[in-house]
Amino acid sequence: SQTIHQWPATLVQPVGSPLSLECTVEGTSNPNLYWYRQAAGRGLQLLFYSVGIGQISSEVPQNLSASRPQDRQFILSSKKLLLSDSGFYLCAWLTSGTDTQYFGPGTRLTVL
Amino acid sequence: SQKIEQNSEALNIQEGKTATLTCNYTNYSPAYLQWYRQDPGRGPVFLLLIRENEKEKRKERLKVTFDTTLKQSLFHITASQPADSATYLCALDFRGSQGNLIFGKGTKLSVKP
Repeated sequence: SQTIHQWPATLVQPVGSPLSLECTVEGTSNPNLYWYRQAAGRGLQLLFYSVGIGQISSEVPQNLSASRPQDRQFILSSKKLLLSDSGFYLCAWLTSGTDTQYFGPGTRLTVL
Repeated sequence: SQKIEQNSEALNIQEGKTATLTCNYTNYSPAYLQWYRQDPGRGPVFLLLIRENEKEKRKERLKVTFDTTLKQSLFHITASQPADSATYLCALDFRGSQGNLIFGKGTKLSVKP
C-alpha cells in the first residue's frame, strides 16, 4: 500500500533562516507531487506541483522553492524565511490517470 | 479565475441529525468535485468524488450531490455522530491541469451529543 511521509512534524525557525522540508512517497511510482500551505483561517494554497523528476511548476510567486531530486521525493526550501511563511505545510501525491490526492501528515512551521 | 466557496465557516448540529454542507463555484464547471475531511493538525483525507455527469453519489452515511446548473455541491452526513466533528473541504479540478485541485476554505462541523 502507498504511504506518504513528511518531516519534521513541527519546526520553529527565526526570520531569515533557511528552510528544508522533505516529503517521500512509498508504494507508487511516477506520482504527481504537490506542496500546499494552509495558514490559520485560510484554505489550502497550492504552492508547487511536479509531474516528474526535475519538473517543478510554481503556482504562487514567493521566496520558496521546490525540488524533486528523485521520483518519490519532494523538497520545499527557502533561503530566508519570512514571518508570513508560518503555516501548516502539506505534501500530497496523485497517481497519474487518477483524480484523488492523498495527503501527508503535514509540517507545522512557526517563524518567529 | 475559478472561485470556490463553502458558505458556512462553522456548522453546529445535534447528534442523530443530518448535516448538510454547501460548496459553490463560479465560472467553468469542473470535470469532478471532491470532498475531504480534515481533523485538527492533520492532513485532509479523501471522502468522495463526484463527476460532472453524476447527480448523486453515496458512501455509507455520506451523500454528495452535484448540480452543474446551480454550480453547487451538497454534502450530507446522515445520523451524525460526535466522531463526525471535523472540517470538511470541497475541492474541484483545474480544468486542463494534471490532477491539480482548488480547495475551499472548509466548513467546521461540530456534532453535539
